[in-house]
Amino acid sequence: AQSVTQLGSHVSVSEGALVLLRCNYSSSVPPYLFWYVQYPNQGLQLLLKYTSAATLVKGINGFEAEFKKSETSFHLTKPSAHMRDAAEYFCAVSDRSGNTPLVFGKGTRLSVIA
Amino acid sequence: GAVVSQHPSWVICKSGTSVKIECRSLDFQATTMFWYRQFPKQSLMLMATSNEGSKATYEQGVEKDKFLINHASLTLSTLTVTSAHPEDSSFYICSARGTGQGAKGYTFGSGTRLTVV
Repeated sequence: AQSVTQLGSHVSVSEGALVLLRCNYSSSVPPYLFWYVQYPNQGLQLLLKYTSAATLVKGINGFEAEFKKSETSFHLTKPSAHMRDAAEYFCAVSDRSGNTPLVFGKGTRLSVIA
Repeated sequence: GAVVSQHPSWVICKSGTSVKIECRSLDFQATTMFWYRQFPKQSLMLMATSNEGSKATYEQGVEKDKFLINHASLTLSTLTVTSAHPEDSSFYICSARGTGQGAKGYTFGSGTRLTVV
């Protein structure tokens, strides 16, 4: 079975500071990994996804994530936080068959302080 | 890109009534639909998986007679919450996978906020 663990249910950063949201995965087969953002009372928006091409994946809104097999990690980063980045972030994993649903982490709420 | 239209975006219903939520794939054929439920400040929990033309597969603890899923066509899947109760109040989101997308594409609907009073 696949799973992801997001370390830290709440992260608070100052505007302009580095954003680091942690995600570790567990999978018996090479996975696909995703980061989604959710604003209040809205659906999910895909930030980026790792599908076995480059290990450093660049996404929308200045976010990027690096797949590190040795650490079983897929942490999300952004060099400089904006107020509009305040939201809930979910890491998710799937296998490569295309037949299984995404399995989500518990989410990390990002607060950005002016 | 692939789009899934989910509606209604929000609904309030009385306890004991039924509510239908629709998810339509607008520009691709959704061979598989996943239905998730999200309680406030929690993650998305998979409720069921449906493949077009087949019966849905429900996750453990999800009542199939209460959450009726129909996936009769490649562009439409519905979730009906029957005899809704206040504890069914939640955010419901569908996610579609289709032909030609490979294993990289999961297209989410915008979600439905259900409030049972």
